[in-house]
Amino acid sequence: SQKIEQNSEALNIQEGKTATLTCNYTNYSPAYLQWYRQDPGRGPVFLLLIRENEKEKRKERLKVTFDTTLKQSLFHITASQPADSATYLCALPSSGNTGKLIFGQGTTLQVKP
Amino acid sequence: EAQVTQNPRYLITVTGKKLTVTCSQNMNHEYMSWYRQDPGLGLRQIYYSMNVEVTDKGDVPEGYKVSRKEKRNFPLILESPSPNQTSLYFCASRGQGIRFGYNEQFFGPGTRLTVL
Repeated sequence: SQKIEQNSEALNIQEGKTATLTCNYTNYSPAYLQWYRQDPGRGPVFLLLIRENEKEKRKERLKVTFDTTLKQSLFHITASQPADSATYLCALPSSGNTGKLIFGQGTTLQVKP
Repeated sequence: EAQVTQNPRYLITVTGKKLTVTCSQNMNHEYMSWYRQDPGLGLRQIYYSMNVEVTDKGDVPEGYKVSRKEKRNFPLILESPSPNQTSLYFCASRGQGIRFGYNEQFFGPGTRLTVL
């Protein structure tokens, strides 16, 4: 079955720097991959989707890359701010087109002023 | 406003006392699901529903029941709660579109359940 690996260690960076989070998957290459943001005690919120035929996707200060050869997606936040501090989850569809998304455990980002 | 709502947001109960957590969405989504989130274990799917009267087990269904009598509602039922069901629960919904192609998932605000 598909497994997702995200760095379980928190990422601490200084305000203004670029944060880079990694999502690796182990099995089949999905048709797309999604990234969500989760604040403590709250539900995840969708951020970006990237399709298998897209190398890169941008939205304001966010950038996502998708490398199906490496089975990896990178999530970048440029000019990071303390308000970007949260846990970021990657998700990809399970096989069979049931609508189910498989979520990684997330990486917690802490941006220090 | 497009949203998924859950109630209650917080609940403290005792072992064996049946409870229901309600979930409702206003986006006419076909797909709805329940997750529990525990430290170090991430989001684990409990049950899901692909449409009215169509439900199926997720990864951790033991001790839970669901029903889908209306498209907008998907309640989670704990017939006899136990302390190991203490967790943060999320309801979610997703539009089917072209067979789910690329659609985002919307999550509710969460229900923090404590079973004593």
